[in-house]
Amino acid sequence: GAVVSQHPSRVICKSGTSVKIECRSLDFQATTMFWYRQFPKQSLMLMATSNEGSKATYEQGVEKDKFLINHASLTLSTLTVTSAHPEDSSFYICSAVVGETRTGELFFGEGSRLTVL
Amino acid sequence: QKEVEQDPGPLSVPEGAIVSLNCTYSNSAFQYFMWYRQYSRKGPELLMYTYSSGNKEDGRFTAQVDKSSKYISLFIRDSQPSDSATYLCAMKGYNQGGKLIFGQGTELSVKP
Repeated sequence: GAVVSQHPSRVICKSGTSVKIECRSLDFQATTMFWYRQFPKQSLMLMATSNEGSKATYEQGVEKDKFLINHASLTLSTLTVTSAHPEDSSFYICSAVVGETRTGELFFGEGSRLTVL
Repeated sequence: QKEVEQDPGPLSVPEGAIVSLNCTYSNSAFQYFMWYRQYSRKGPELLMYTYSSGNKEDGRFTAQVDKSSKYISLFIRDSQPSDSATYLCAMKGYNQGGKLIFGQGTELSVKP
């Protein structure tokens, strides 16, 4: 399957700091990437759609000023959690569609576990 | 009511057993159905991807979709301890891109 890489896999930060998570498509170009969030023992929830060269599209209830998304190239999207607080602690997972965006298969990265102290 | 319902388990079976995992959904617009396997602290791994109703087989895995009943299944034959993981069903409508609606996930444990 397609490879989507995330970095870092784990990060611990102090409350009030900002954290950047990178998502890369390693063997294909992804004009669109997606950021999900997963709380323990819960399912994945889509946060936002990252579009190469344009603004991200956020799901209802997701603060765009807190979760900054940049998709500067066809292989890289970044999620920055700004002024992080303990309630932002979660497992963040990016994904990308292989093939046509509307119907293609969605592959996920390994995830980044954020712990805010 | 959630759009996608999945029994969280945990489900424990002996090695070699046939495992049946299921999800029900309420949105008739869903067209694409997926099963992902997620090991602890890892991202989901795509196992099966099907379009509309029918069956799809890949090795020890068989996915079934019954759109008339809004019910999907994943069968695992000859289950192995390495199959122990959380299995997530996911689905989306046409032209929904990466906006998948996930079930809660079923935690499976295969005992040697």
